[in-house]
Amino acid sequence: GEDVEQSLFLSVREGDSSVINCTYTDSSSTYLYWYKQEPGAGLQLLTYIFSNMDMKQDQRLTVLLNKKDKHLSLRIADTQTGDSAIYFCAERRNTGGFKTIFGAGTRLFVKA
Amino acid sequence: DGGITQSPKYLFRKEGQNVTLSCEQNLNHDAMYWYRQDPGQGLRLIYYSQIVNDFQKGDIAEGYSVSREKKESFPLTVTSAQKNPTAFYLCASSNSLAGGGHNEQFFGPGTRLTVL
Repeated sequence: GEDVEQSLFLSVREGDSSVINCTYTDSSSTYLYWYKQEPGAGLQLLTYIFSNMDMKQDQRLTVLLNKKDKHLSLRIADTQTGDSAIYFCAERRNTGGFKTIFGAGTRLFVKA
Repeated sequence: DGGITQSPKYLFRKEGQNVTLSCEQNLNHDAMYWYRQDPGQGLRLIYYSQIVNDFQKGDIAEGYSVSREKKESFPLTVTSAQKNPTAFYLCASSNSLAGGGHNEQFFGPGTRLTVL
């Protein structure tokens, strides 16, 4: 299909790991992104990965990319209540004018 | 401080009225975008502009209009022709779209439009 797909909700306990999954559509996409949206605010770039990489780690964040399956995941280690937000997956397509296509966002609830 | 601003934060409109949402950036970015966000849906692209005096329709342009007379400014007008305008509107900017390289978009804080 045309869409970037994510599950809409994820609930974890404080201190556990969170894994947010995403499937994208264009095998020629060069960059895959994770954005974070706090309540009532705009999106902020959290991390990104270039398509020739399988994994990228940045402190508590680990991004895994499976190009064969067009699957992207974001793992947040030691999840804190401050991580509660909506997380958007996005792909930068090389076709159709280099558009960035966003998923619907996964709302992460962190229970104390 | 460099950034992107949107005003107002909340906007109420009566049916049949046009309304203009402001977006300003001082990041010296060439490209600017308008998105609409509805619950349970991804960001949907309304219009984008790659350079001053040029803009293109996104996926849901009907009922909206834009202008790009200055690099810093990309106002969005929601017209009375937009059938369901109540939504959260996000403006963003980035470096040039050309070339397919890394293209981080910087977002404003959003404007919540409610039609009464």
